[in-house]
Amino acid sequence: GNSVTQMEGPVTLSEEAFLTINCTYTATGYPSLFWYVQYPGEGLQLLLKATKADDKGSNKGFEATYRKETTSFHLEKGSVQVSDSAVYFCAALSYNTDKLIFGTGTRLQVFP
Amino acid sequence: DTAVSQTPKYLVTQMGNDKSIKCEQNLGHDTMYWYKQDSKKFLKIMFSYNNKELIINETVPNRFSPKSPDKAHLNLHINSLELGDSAVYFCASRGRTNYGYTFGSGTRLTVV
Repeated sequence: GNSVTQMEGPVTLSEEAFLTINCTYTATGYPSLFWYVQYPGEGLQLLLKATKADDKGSNKGFEATYRKETTSFHLEKGSVQVSDSAVYFCAALSYNTDKLIFGTGTRLQVFP
Repeated sequence: DTAVSQTPKYLVTQMGNDKSIKCEQNLGHDTMYWYKQDSKKFLKIMFSYNNKELIINETVPNRFSPKSPDKAHLNLHINSLELGDSAVYFCASRGRTNYGYTFGSGTRLTVV
């Protein structure tokens, strides 16, 4: 079945550091790919998405590029802020199954 | 206006009780879902309904029974609650495009 693997956390960074959170997927066909963010005590918010190979999703300074050849969708941000501290989930949606499959989540902690 | 709303936000109850969680979406989406997030933040799909019809029923104990009175509502009833049912339950909905799911803010269920 489909699956999503992302790096374990926590990822601990100083403010203004560069962020990468790795995500790879296994799926039949070409799924749509997403990053969701969960701030402490809150629900899941869609951060960005990409629906086909080589698409780049971006939002709030975060970016991720859909790489078909490496089945990856790594999340990056050039300069993190304390307010970015949250849990980040990579997810894949295959329309033949209509299931949004999540990775295990990566906690990001940013210190001033 | 809240797009996907769940009630209650918190629910504390004793083992053996029966409880319900309600979900409503005002996005005009056709498909709604229930997800369970465990203590390690792992998210797993439980059910999905499309226009009041059950589409996905993952390996969930039959103590859990979803009900969709109309396509804007998907409620979750849980019988004979057990300690292991303690989790955060998220409702979500999806339209016909590939924009991913919109999630509610979650219901934190604690069984004591």
